[in-house]
Amino acid sequence: EIVMTQSPATLSVSPGERATLSCRASQSVSSNLAWYQQKPGQAPRLLIYGASTRATGIPARFTGSGSGTEFTLTISSLQSEDFAVYYCQQYNNWPYTFGQGTKLEIK
Amino acid sequence: QVTLKESGPALVKPTQTLTLTCTFSGFSLSTSGMRVSWIRQPPGKALEWLARIDWDDDKFYSTSLKTRLTISKDTSKNQVVLTMTNMDPVDTATYYCARSYGTNGRWAEYWGQGTLVTVSS
Repeated sequence: EIVMTQSPATLSVSPGERATLSCRASQSVSSNLAWYQQKPGQAPRLLIYGASTRATGIPARFTGSGSGTEFTLTISSLQSEDFAVYYCQQYNNWPYTFGQGTKLEIK
Repeated sequence: QVTLKESGPALVKPTQTLTLTCTFSGFSLSTSGMRVSWIRQPPGKALEWLARIDWDDDKFYSTSLKTRLTISKDTSKNQVVLTMTNMDPVDTATYYCARSYGTNGRWAEYWGQGTLVTVSS
């Protein structure tokens, strides 16, 4: 089973600034990686798939990059609605696995 | 418009079997490339992918929960059912169903609202 490790666990950033979230896989997942955003009491929302392709309706300030074992989600110019928990997920091998999440909080 | 909704008991006792139903609309699970999965999230914890069923009736299960899970589909009713045997308090979680689609589409594009299941005597 592939282990996904996200860092940091919590990230404090001011509105308008940039946030960089990291996700590492225990073995190569190629570009088979997705990112999700989850707000309290809500289901996760797909942001990125294929490591770098934005899902329908996702603003351009969300950028995914990386391949193999190292991935990054960058959110430029943070808006108030971006403060949430973010999860990465690999779908290269079954069982699909998620990282433990990064909580993005207001500084 | 794609929608999914989970239903099932909010409370189950330890050792009981949980049966959850995902009722969906806006797509057919008989369409090539369509997949529906169950994913859970214990309170305050991370997501865990439990099981997946594909349009061709292929089924996939979590390695650690494989012996306790069964996933099935009723295409005519637009439903996917998950059963989990021998429930334990550690299985307390919000259970989501989600849809994936496409040749390489194995990410969860659409999600239900989730249903909280508490395991307690």
